[in-house]
Amino acid sequence: GAGVSQTPSNKVTEKGKYVELRCDPISGHTALYWYRQSLGQGPEFLIYFQGTGAADDSGLPNDRFFAVRPEGSVSTLKIQRTERGDSAVYLCASSLGNEDTEAFFGQGTRLTVV
Amino acid sequence: AQSVAQPEDQVNVAEGNPLTVKCTYSVSGNPYLFWYVQYPNRGLQFLLKYITGDNLVKGSYGFEAEFNKSQTSFHLKKPSALVSDSALYFCAVRDENYGQNFVFGPGTRLSVLP
Repeated sequence: GAGVSQTPSNKVTEKGKYVELRCDPISGHTALYWYRQSLGQGPEFLIYFQGTGAADDSGLPNDRFFAVRPEGSVSTLKIQRTERGDSAVYLCASSLGNEDTEAFFGQGTRLTVV
Repeated sequence: AQSVAQPEDQVNVAEGNPLTVKCTYSVSGNPYLFWYVQYPNRGLQFLLKYITGDNLVKGSYGFEAEFNKSQTSFHLKKPSALVSDSALYFCAVRDENYGQNFVFGPGTRLSVLP
C-alpha cells in the first residue's frame, strides 16, 4: 500500500531558474492538494484538484506558480523564475474527495533557492 | 474565511502525565476538524478527526480530542504521555461553506520529558 510519493525529496536551484515538483497520490484518490511549509510554520494552502481540474487555486502566491494534473492522478507543481523566498518544504496530499475525509500527506520536497 | 489558532508554541509535559494541546477555530458553517502530527523530516500524519456526532473522538496512538462548539475548540488530549509523543502537532479545519481545502494552525511543539 503505497502512500503519497513526492519527488525529488530535495531540490537546490539557483535564483531565476525553473523547477518542477512531482506528486504521486494514493491510487483512487480523486482529490489532490499542494501546500507549502516554511520553517516553524503551519502548512499554507496553495491549490486543490478534484480530478483533473483545479477546483481552488486561491492559495497560489503569484503567476510564477502553476500546477497541473492532466490525467487526474500525478500532479506537477511548477515554479518559474524562482526567488529565494520560494525556499520551503512543498507538501502534497491526497484524499478520497469527500467533505469528511482526511488527507494523507507525502514526505515533502525541500526546495532551496540559492 | 476559516482560521485556526494554537495558542501555545510549546508544551512541556513529564512522561506519564496527561497532555493537552489546545486548538480553537473560526468558521462560518459547520466545521470539520482534524489533528495531524509531524515528526522531524517527515510528512504530516493523520491522528483523528471530528465530523459529527459524539464530541469526544478517539484516534491513533491513544490520542483523543474533544469538540466544544460553544467554545469553538478542539483540544487534543492523551491520558499518559510518552517520550515518543514528542513532535509538532497541527490542528486543521475545513469549513463546509468554503470548499475542500484544509486550513492549518501554526503548530504546537510537544516535548515529553523522561
